[in-house]
Amino acid sequence: NAGVTQTPKFQVLKTGQSMTLQCAQDMNHNSMYWYRQDPGMGLRLIYYSASEGTTDKGEVPNGYNVSRLNKREFSLRLESAAPSQTSVYFCASAIKSGDVNEKLFFGSGTQLSVL
Amino acid sequence: KQEVTQIPAALSVPEGENLVLNCSFTDSAIYNLQWFRQDPGKGLTSLLLIQSSQREQTSGRLNASLDKSSGRSTLYIAASQPGDSATYLCAVRRYNQGGKLIFGQGTELSVKP
Repeated sequence: NAGVTQTPKFQVLKTGQSMTLQCAQDMNHNSMYWYRQDPGMGLRLIYYSASEGTTDKGEVPNGYNVSRLNKREFSLRLESAAPSQTSVYFCASAIKSGDVNEKLFFGSGTQLSVL
Repeated sequence: KQEVTQIPAALSVPEGENLVLNCSFTDSAIYNLQWFRQDPGKGLTSLLLIQSSQREQTSGRLNASLDKSSGRSTLYIAASQPGDSATYLCAVRRYNQGGKLIFGQGTELSVKP
């Protein structure tokens, strides 16, 4: 079972470069999320999508854009990468939109370094 | 603003020991609290979810409790094994701001053979 798949697993960028992190889930989940994890900061929500065609900002959206391409895919784009965006990025999905007791399923992460 | 704190940041125990991980949160207006496990270089795996109306949840050797009024949760691991070595994170889903999850920073557990 694939679950939540993220690509790439590792990426090194130079300041000012752009890139898109890809995420796909095969569990027919409605909700999808992008988090970043930094030492000493825990996981922080960047953007989320409660359903296909909708996206909303999380705690730390600045410098990022997202696209919910279809029910399966939710991409995160860095238009002009900055060293402060060096982090591990996790995509997650959940079964039912609007269910506060939904359990999240996480991908294995993308380790991004911006030089 | 909801804050979630996990103490200690790291814990090392010998195999077979029973242990408790702690999680505290500042705002009791939550829907639920979840405990996750994260292995090095991996994503998070949900272990237990406790709804705000519940006091505890059990899964195998794991037992999670919730005291919403005091803003505390504990994760009890019985008869620890080296395979339990991982980082354990708690997260609360709060009423405000769309019910987003707020994560603690995690406790890194090492179980020595």
